[in-house]
Amino acid sequence: GAGVSQTPSNKVTEKGKYVELRCDPISGHTALYWYRQSLGQGPEFLIYFQGTGAADDSGLPNDRFFAVRPEGSVSTLKIQRTERGDSAVYLCASSLHDSTDTQYFGPGTRLTVL
Amino acid sequence: SQQGEEDPQALSIQEGENATMNCSYKTSINNLQWYRQNSGRGLVHLILIRSNEREKHSGRLRVTLDTSKKSSSLLITASRAADTASYFCATGLKYQGGSEKLVFGKGTKLTVNP
Repeated sequence: GAGVSQTPSNKVTEKGKYVELRCDPISGHTALYWYRQSLGQGPEFLIYFQGTGAADDSGLPNDRFFAVRPEGSVSTLKIQRTERGDSAVYLCASSLHDSTDTQYFGPGTRLTVL
Repeated sequence: SQQGEEDPQALSIQEGENATMNCSYKTSINNLQWYRQNSGRGLVHLILIRSNEREKHSGRLRVTLDTSKKSSSLLITASRAADTASYFCATGLKYQGGSEKLVFGKGTKLTVNP
């Protein structure tokens, strides 16, 4: 079966622009997570969805970041008024039921803000 | 913030040798997981050890957990060039509603020379 997929694989944008990053979890997985990984660091938790709702969004750095999962499968991470400091690899993961299950990661989207 | 700290930050060994990576953490955990990451992209889950377990094996991998010292180690035996990657420990912290959040360390960059 297909793993977690993320699109685009690379995104280059200019400071101040709006970007959307997409995540397709493994079919049937109800839990979905977004992480951000800066160079030389480990992944940093952003948000966790259980079904359609955000169970924990405590990792979102500020109100420029928003994520949705309207039908409980595909999720979109939205970043408004991008800043150079937002440049990172954005990783998505999914797990079968909830966050006590093993998380399977996608390949990530490398975002570069010029 | 990152809870786990891997040690060493970088490790270079010859093929066939064993590689040992350590992880220390700060707060009580439900479980500790090890992930591998190639080329700064998707993470691959290697092994999960629960807080009531002391040792776990999977193929050439051996993980130990000492909750009294808040530390874990990952041993890769008979290393291969293909084991070259970054290795991260992630601690599962229980939070509201019984769900868990994964908090990653900064990783150990392992290089296995042929």
